[in-house]
Amino acid sequence: EEQLVESGGGLIQPGGSLRLSCVVSGFTVSKNYMNWVRQAPGKGLEWVSILYSGGSTYYADSVRGRFTISRDNSKNTVFLQMNSLRAEDTAVYYCARVPGSPFYYGLDVWGQGTTVTVS
Amino acid sequence: QSVLTQPPSVSGAPGQRVIISCTGTSANIGADCDVHWYKQLPGTAPKLLIYGTRNRPSGVPDRFSGSKSGTSASLAITGLQAEDEADYYCQSCDSSQSGHWVFGGGTKLNVV
Repeated sequence: EEQLVESGGGLIQPGGSLRLSCVVSGFTVSKNYMNWVRQAPGKGLEWVSILYSGGSTYYADSVRGRFTISRDNSKNTVFLQMNSLRAEDTAVYYCARVPGSPFYYGLDVWGQGTTVTVS
Repeated sequence: QSVLTQPPSVSGAPGQRVIISCTGTSANIGADCDVHWYKQLPGTAPKLLIYGTRNRPSGVPDRFSGSKSGTSASLAITGLQAEDEADYYCQSCDSSQSGHWVFGGGTKLNVV
């Protein structure tokens, strides 16, 4: 079974840092396109970042320069390093997979989410 | 404010057909970007309903269908059921920024 399990969320003061982890089972991280998507309390979904299978990374304007997506192939895990956190970064952060061409296939497998509160 | 515009809510009675719209621009839906649709129940992760504008993943009933015309896309749900009550989101690419995706603001479907 394909599964994503996020962890690393918590309460952090403005200006602080957190590293989120997404442990993957059932498929290989390095052969897929891995994303982070967040949802602020009572709000809609916001795409945060994508890590291509080839290693390219892209970020939403709201987090570029502060967040870094990466992966550890040996652990089949994706990370989101979040620095200089702001109150507006408060959200549930989901890890999600695109199984192929990023813009043809949608996000077909999602984790349960991890909550980040910046206050 | 979301890049893709969706109505905040739509309603329908059981058995009816409803359509949820997703309006974009020439930089996303109109730029030949595919559209994806997700369903989200309270407190749970989103679930992929439609990918590549009109394709259903395995297990999604054929009551759900997607389409696109110009700078807008639509999700149609026929034979409305109580369990369809949820939030629905559209997603597309942002052709003005390589590798970027955008979401709609979401639509709450009420089955009344």
